[in-house]
Amino acid sequence: DIQMTQSPSTLSASLGDRVTITCRASQSIDVWLAWYQHKPGKAPKVLIYKTYYLESGVPSRFSGRGYGTEFTLTISSLQPDDFATYYCQQYKTDPRTFGQGTKVEI
Amino acid sequence: EVYLVESGGGLIQPGGSLRLSCEGSGYTFSGYAMAWVRQAPGKGLEWVSGIRANHDSTYYADSVKGRFTISRDNSKSLLYLQMHSLTADDTATYYCARDDAPGGGYCDSWGQGVQVTVSP
Repeated sequence: DIQMTQSPSTLSASLGDRVTITCRASQSIDVWLAWYQHKPGKAPKVLIYKTYYLESGVPSRFSGRGYGTEFTLTISSLQPDDFATYYCQQYKTDPRTFGQGTKVEI
Repeated sequence: EVYLVESGGGLIQPGGSLRLSCEGSGYTFSGYAMAWVRQAPGKGLEWVSGIRANHDSTYYADSVKGRFTISRDNSKSLLYLQMHSLTADDTATYYCARDDAPGGGYCDSWGQGVQVTVSP
């Protein structure tokens, strides 16, 4: 199985900050990576798919980069609605594993 | 708009069995692969199982292989997860999710989740 490792596990930031979350795969997944936002009591929401494609309706302050084994999610200017936990997921092969999550907090 | 509604959760004793259901609406259910994802208390998301659109292929996480069975009834727009030999480690919120393609992919739509608690 492909292992996904995110860093950091927790990120403390302020409104307006630029934040970057890193996700590393244990083997190459080409561009088959998605990022999700998850808030307590809510369904997860996809933000980015295929490394850098923005899901419809997602604000342009979110962006993704990477290829192979190293990927990043960047929020260009943190907004109040962005405080949540973020997960990467590879979907190159089954089982489609998630990273352990990065909690973005104030 | 895509709607996914899970049902069938509850409190179950260790060693017991439970079947979760997920009804899809607002789209052509038979045209998309589906998945189950869970989140245990205080833990992250864990992909549990997936099934292709024409249900010819199924996939499982190692943690549930041999105990859980995913299936679907495209005529009723229903997805199932049959769970056996449940343990406390299976306690979680279980989400039904639609993949973005018939052959599987990322999860582009999610249900609100259903709680499964395994406890004596």
